[in-house]
Amino acid sequence: AQSVTQPDIHITVSEGASLELRCNYSYGATPYLFWYVQSPGQGLQLLLKYFSGDTLVQGIKGFEAEFKRSQSSFNLRKPSVHWSDAAEYFCAVGVSSGDKLTFGTGTRLAVRP
Amino acid sequence: EPEVTQTPSHQVTQMGQEVILRCVPISNHLYFYWYRQILGQKVEFLVSFYNNEISEKSEIFDDQFSVERPDGSNFTLKIRSTKLEDSAMYFCASSEGSGVGEKLFFGSGTQLSVL
Repeated sequence: AQSVTQPDIHITVSEGASLELRCNYSYGATPYLFWYVQSPGQGLQLLLKYFSGDTLVQGIKGFEAEFKRSQSSFNLRKPSVHWSDAAEYFCAVGVSSGDKLTFGTGTRLAVRP
Repeated sequence: EPEVTQTPSHQVTQMGQEVILRCVPISNHLYFYWYRQILGQKVEFLVSFYNNEISEKSEIFDDQFSVERPDGSNFTLKIRSTKLEDSAMYFCASSEGSGVGEKLFFGSGTQLSVL
């Protein structure tokens, strides 16, 4: 069965600084990988996803993520964080034969002014 | 962007009571899901639903749980006899098509507290 690990529970960065949120997955074949964001009082919103092809994927709100098969990782990055990026970020993995997602525990991002 | 609506946002109930969590999926979506997140733990898949039938369910989704689409707009999750361990945030989601390739639209969740 597939699994996802997000090793950082909380991260604090200064506004304007770069950001990298870590995600490692476990799955025997090539997974479908996702990053979701949850702002306070909101639902989970899809930031980006990777199915195949270019291992660097661009998402909404200036986020990108890179799939590295050798490291079983799909880290989320943003070159310059804005205060509005403060939220909880979830990495998720899916498999082609089903329609369920397996999520990580999430990383809560705080942004210092 | 269209939204999935969940009500109530918070629900408090006594152990052993029945609760119904309500969701209004996006109007042209055909596939519906429930996920939940126990505080400090992962968001977990509960069930998927299509054409008035359960498509897939997790081992969490036991006989105490049921889902229903009672009319053309609502999608509900019922817990017949709540337990303390059912306390969690419950997320409803919907999509146009099936499979992980389809974009899931999530609601903002219902926080269920079982006392």
